[in-house]
Amino acid sequence: AQKVTQAQTEISVVEKEDVTLDCVYETRDTTYYLFWYKQPPSGELVFLIRRNSFDEQNEISGRYSWNFQKSTSSFNFTITASQVVDSAVYFCALSEGYSTLTFGKGTMLLVSP
Amino acid sequence: ETGVTQTPRHLVMGMTNKKSLKCEQHLGHNAMYWYKQSAKKPLELMFVYSLEERVENNSVPSRFSPECPNSSHLFLHLHTLQPEDSALYLCASSQARENTIYFGEGSWLTVV
Repeated sequence: AQKVTQAQTEISVVEKEDVTLDCVYETRDTTYYLFWYKQPPSGELVFLIRRNSFDEQNEISGRYSWNFQKSTSSFNFTITASQVVDSAVYFCALSEGYSTLTFGKGTMLLVSP
Repeated sequence: ETGVTQTPRHLVMGMTNKKSLKCEQHLGHNAMYWYKQSAKKPLELMFVYSLEERVENNSVPSRFSPECPNSSHLFLHLHTLQPEDSALYLCASSQARENTIYFGEGSWLTVV
């Protein structure tokens, strides 16, 4: 069975600090997909990134970067120079091919000015 | 502007009421989903429609009844709900079930 663990329930940082959100997953499949979504207070889940199990290259998009390590079953998300607008709940999710998403419980990030 | 729109955004209903949540996707996708998000619980998949056919139903109580008249529209009909059904209901869509799922803004439901 697939499982996603986000051990950090809540993280508080001050603006301009770097912050890393942890995600550990469990799956028996060799083919799977990992995702990160952002949920601001308005409620919408905003898609951030999708990574397949055969691509372990790290990815950078502006202030966001993702570190995928199969050896530790982790897919961590780092925000560099955090801003107040980054305050949200962030969800890591896993999909085994044709199956639907399994979400972690989310990490609430609070960025104060 | 989101490609998946949900109405209403907020709904308060009594336990004896009948109401419906509506979802429309403008992305040309062929799969649609209903998720439930309660406080302190992970996101739960309720229903999946692929090519307008329900392909997954995760033991959801019969007081929730989905309807997918075409690939762009999805409804969730609500009947005799309980206070514990109060939650954020999220609609989503994807192009084929193995692709990225895009979510709407959600409908906040309060059952009184």
